[in-house]
Amino acid sequence: LAKTTQPISMDSYEGQEVNITCSHNNIATNDYITWYQQFPSQGPRFIIQGYKTKVTNEVASLFIPADRKSSTLSLPRVSLSDTAVYYCLVVSGYSTLTFGKGTMLLVSP
Amino acid sequence: NAGVTQTPKFRILKIGQSMTLQCTQDMNHNYMYWYRQDPGMGLKLIYYSVGAGITDKGEVPNGYNVSRSTTEDFPLRLELAAPSQTSVYFCASSLHPPGAHDYEQYFGPGTRLTVT
Repeated sequence: LAKTTQPISMDSYEGQEVNITCSHNNIATNDYITWYQQFPSQGPRFIIQGYKTKVTNEVASLFIPADRKSSTLSLPRVSLSDTAVYYCLVVSGYSTLTFGKGTMLLVSP
Repeated sequence: NAGVTQTPKFRILKIGQSMTLQCTQDMNHNYMYWYRQDPGMGLKLIYYSVGAGITDKGEVPNGYNVSRSTTEDFPLRLELAAPSQTSVYFCASSLHPPGAHDYEQYFGPGTRLTVT
């Protein structure tokens, strides 16, 4: 099972780009990398999923190098409302559906 | 679509009491899940279901039971509540199984349970 490691917390200011990196050294060939966002007192919300290279949607980009041992979630021009916990998951089956502590992103004015 | 709904939002139980947490989804998803989230921690999988009539244990199933009689509903039963079950419980559903391309879970708003 691919264990993930990500920073406990990060600080940023409004308008900046934020990059959160997750390491997953034991990722398997068929594993996908998925990121979720959780606001206080809410359930997690899917942000983005990728397998390799770069994936972009309307809220974020996900960069995955060729060896796939890490991934970086990029949030362009963050606002105060992006303050949340961000979880990186490597999903390959039901036994991998464990959310770690995630990264607490605090965006300041 | 309402998505995933959970009731109640809050509940206080005494030790030894029982209760059922309700979860309903209107997206016709086959896959449903129950998680618990302890303060300051991530989410741990309690039980999951791959369709009506089929359930299986997750990482932390002890002290809980589930049933899945319909596609829409996936109730979680707590028998003989203990203080260790104080937590926030999230129900989720997905169209595809974990590991599939485009795998995405949709979460409910949670039930905050306190056992004293």
